[in-house]
Amino acid sequence: DQQVKQNSPSLSVQEGRISILNCDYTNSMFDYFLWYKKYPAEGPTFLISISSIKDKNEDGRFTVFLNKSAKHLSLHIVPSQPGDSAVYFCSGGSNYKLTFGKGTLLTVNP
Amino acid sequence: EAQVTQNPRYLITVTGKKLTVTCSQNMNHEYMSWYRQDPGLGLRQIYYSMNVEVTDKGDVPEGYKVSRKEKRNFPLILESPSPNQTSLYFCASRLAVDTGELFFGEGSRLTVL
Repeated sequence: DQQVKQNSPSLSVQEGRISILNCDYTNSMFDYFLWYKKYPAEGPTFLISISSIKDKNEDGRFTVFLNKSAKHLSLHIVPSQPGDSAVYFCSGGSNYKLTFGKGTLLTVNP
Repeated sequence: EAQVTQNPRYLITVTGKKLTVTCSQNMNHEYMSWYRQDPGLGLRQIYYSMNVEVTDKGDVPEGYKVSRKEKRNFPLILESPSPNQTSLYFCASRLAVDTGELFFGEGSRLTVL
């Protein structure tokens, strides 16, 4: 049972444009959600989080939106930069566990 | 520097030869966890620990053991490795037991022949 789904394996955008990465979840018990970024040969690094009682959290170029009724969240990156090229993981947390999606490879073209 | 350190970073071994991947964190974190990353499957949790001597299974615990004898260390033990355990392994930790961001190590790439 895949509790966190990232249905787009990859996404390609032009530098300066908006990147939108999507995530759907099935577990209504998630208390919070985290986005991680991963470069090759490195461990994932934390990017931004949102509590299940919020609908938006913003940090610089990164904004996460949560739609609880649709069990959907999205990560917006504006403007996108070539250094943002990485795999992005969506995750949901509850009961001492953090469950990750399969990831989306974002490529930002100069 | 605050970090999660895993060793070895790379290992090639043979089926059935016991091995241990060590993990140590210097942030006095309560919670530690192991994940494996496989192509097309993302990050899947193997085991986690909420405190010393308190461990529990994640989503894919079969074939693995862990121990938490000290707060800073959380080794992953493969008693009899098999080729399906060929993977990229990540150790992670966080301050609080039930919430917050995880800090990840750099990963250990294990190949079982």
